[in-house]
Amino acid sequence: AQSVSQHNHHVILSEAASLELGCNYSYGGTVNLFWYVQYPGQHLQLLLKYFSGDPLVKGIKGFEAEFIKSKFSFNLRKPSVQWSDTAEYFCALKDGNNRLAFGKGNQVVVIP
Amino acid sequence: EADIYQTPRYLVIGTGKKITLECSQTMGHDKMYWYQQDPGMELHLIHYSYGVNSTEKGDLSSESTVSRIRTEHFPLTLESARPSHTSQYLCASSEWGNQETQYFGPGTRLLVL
Repeated sequence: AQSVSQHNHHVILSEAASLELGCNYSYGGTVNLFWYVQYPGQHLQLLLKYFSGDPLVKGIKGFEAEFIKSKFSFNLRKPSVQWSDTAEYFCALKDGNNRLAFGKGNQVVVIP
Repeated sequence: EADIYQTPRYLVIGTGKKITLECSQTMGHDKMYWYQQDPGMELHLIHYSYGVNSTEKGDLSSESTVSRIRTEHFPLTLESARPSHTSQYLCASSEWGNQETQYFGPGTRLLVL
């Protein structure tokens, strides 16, 4: 069965700092990968997704993620965070049966 | 912005009550999903549907049931709520395609006393 691991559940950083959230998956087949974000009081929103092609994917609000197949990773990055990036971030994997498996999420707090 | 709605947003109810959580989407998506999420934990798929009159159980066993009589509507029902059902329930939908992406509703936070 597929699984998704996200480490460092709570991340606290200052504005303008760089952010990197790790995502590792376990699945032997072709994967589609997603990062979702949930701002306080709002619903889950899609940040970015990878299906094929360029392994460096750019998403909304200055986020990007890199798919490294050899490392089974899909880490999320933003070079300079803002207070408004305070949110919970979820990595997800879609397998060959179109089922989504989610990681436990990273709670990110940006201090002004 | 995805057009998927859930009601109620918050529900506090006593043990033994029957409840129905509503989910509607206006995007014409064939596929709909229900996830359960406890604080600090990952989302777990509990039900999904690939179209009208299609319902399947997900990865996490749940005492809830679902129905799909109309494309846009995918309600979840608990016949007799228990404290162990306290959780957040998220509804999602997607359309068929190579780059299929799920869009989520705002969720229902359920507290069973």
